[in-house]
Amino acid sequence: DAGVIQSPRHEVTEMGQEVTLRCKPISGHDYLFWYRQTMMRGLELLIYFNNNVPIDDSGMPEDRFSAKMPNASFSTLKIQPSEPRDSAVYFCASSGPGLREKLFFGSGTQLSVL
Amino acid sequence: GDSVTQMEGPVTLSEEAFLTINCTYTATGYPSLFWYVQYPGEGLQLLLKATKADDKGSNKGFEATYRKETTSFHLEKGSVQVSDSAVYFCALTQPGTGFQKLVFGTGTRLLVSP
Repeated sequence: DAGVIQSPRHEVTEMGQEVTLRCKPISGHDYLFWYRQTMMRGLELLIYFNNNVPIDDSGMPEDRFSAKMPNASFSTLKIQPSEPRDSAVYFCASSGPGLREKLFFGSGTQLSVL
Repeated sequence: GDSVTQMEGPVTLSEEAFLTINCTYTATGYPSLFWYVQYPGEGLQLLLKATKADDKGSNKGFEATYRKETTSFHLEKGSVQVSDSAVYFCALTQPGTGFQKLVFGTGTRLLVSP
């Protein structure tokens, strides 16, 4: 079991550029979550999907943020245009049948916007 | 809304010392309570959980008891190891809203020295 796979591990970009973060959930999991972690705000839920359908995006901070899940094995989180205040660690997590509250997290993407 | 408050870190201990990390919560009704752990460079993983008052969750020598009267879920371990160095997150979710709405505390960093 490869676990939740995120890419890239680190991303450094300049303000105004588009950033795309990628996630591959665990096979068979039907829920996928995007979280953002910062020192000031801790861990925040941005959006989650069930069976590839976005269910709740109330945590997405602005229209600059968008997320898609075109199939059960792939999701993206896009920021366009990026701003320095978007600098954070972005985590993807998935969960499956059985123990729903046991989220499996990826290793995260450390995003730095200069 | 629901919230979780954790003690400020870092908590610095010597190997074999006793550990307590405090967690209190504010929530209506009877939430389920969790501890997640984040090892360096990794995503969060579920450590233990408790779903009703007076339940004790335990795993890997860690334990926490759901105290409804004090709205607390403190994490304890009798003898810490260097390998326990990590960030620990207390979290809750409301029955009915389910795991989708996990609310995390800001995390407490534990540093264990040999």
